[in-house]
Amino acid sequence: GEQVEQLPSILRVQEGSSASINCSYEDSASNYFPWYKQEPGENPKLIIDIRSNMERKQIQELIVLLDKKAKRFSLHITDTQPGDSAMYFCAASGNEKITFGAGTKLTIKP
Amino acid sequence: DAGVTQTPRHEVAEKGQTIILKCEPVSGHNDLFWYRQTKIQGLELLSYFRSKSLMEDGGAFKDRFKAEMLNSSFSTLKIQPTEPKDSAVYLCASSLRGGSYEQYFGPGTRLTVL
Repeated sequence: GEQVEQLPSILRVQEGSSASINCSYEDSASNYFPWYKQEPGENPKLIIDIRSNMERKQIQELIVLLDKKAKRFSLHITDTQPGDSAMYFCAASGNEKITFGAGTKLTIKP
Repeated sequence: DAGVTQTPRHEVAEKGQTIILKCEPVSGHNDLFWYRQTKIQGLELLSYFRSKSLMEDGGAFKDRFKAEMLNSSFSTLKIQPTEPKDSAVYLCASSLRGGSYEQYFGPGTRLTVL
């Protein structure tokens, strides 16, 4: 089955700087790549996603990049704020099945 | 607009007990997923239903974990017998169709097995 590797597992950045999380996948049939944010005590919620017909997508301060050839995708959060502190999960989906990465704990330092 | 509901929110069980977790998906969603969340393993898929049919039974979890979807608006996850290593948060999620659409997660059930 699909395997998704997510790095780093822990990330600390200064408020106002950028944060980047990287994921890689194995199954070339994967065509949908969502990102979920989970705040402490809350359930994961979709924040941005990208499909295989795109290479880049931006929603406000969130940017996702997809490199299908390298089977890698990444999330970049620009101008980080304290509210960005949370767990982030990437995922890869194809043929209806979805596989999640292990998660990145992002902490924004004031 | 009701999201995914899960009960109970917390469960404490003795080793060897049987526990049943419950989930109600978003109305109109065809697909339902059960996940186990731990700090080490992250989100692990336990079961996946499409229109009440079991599509994925989570391989390594087969022996003591059994998910059922009795109707389109209700699912259960039975763990029998429980072991201390089953202590985790169990999340239920639903989507319109499969993994290629947004998954709506429930609040989870935190299970502690003593």
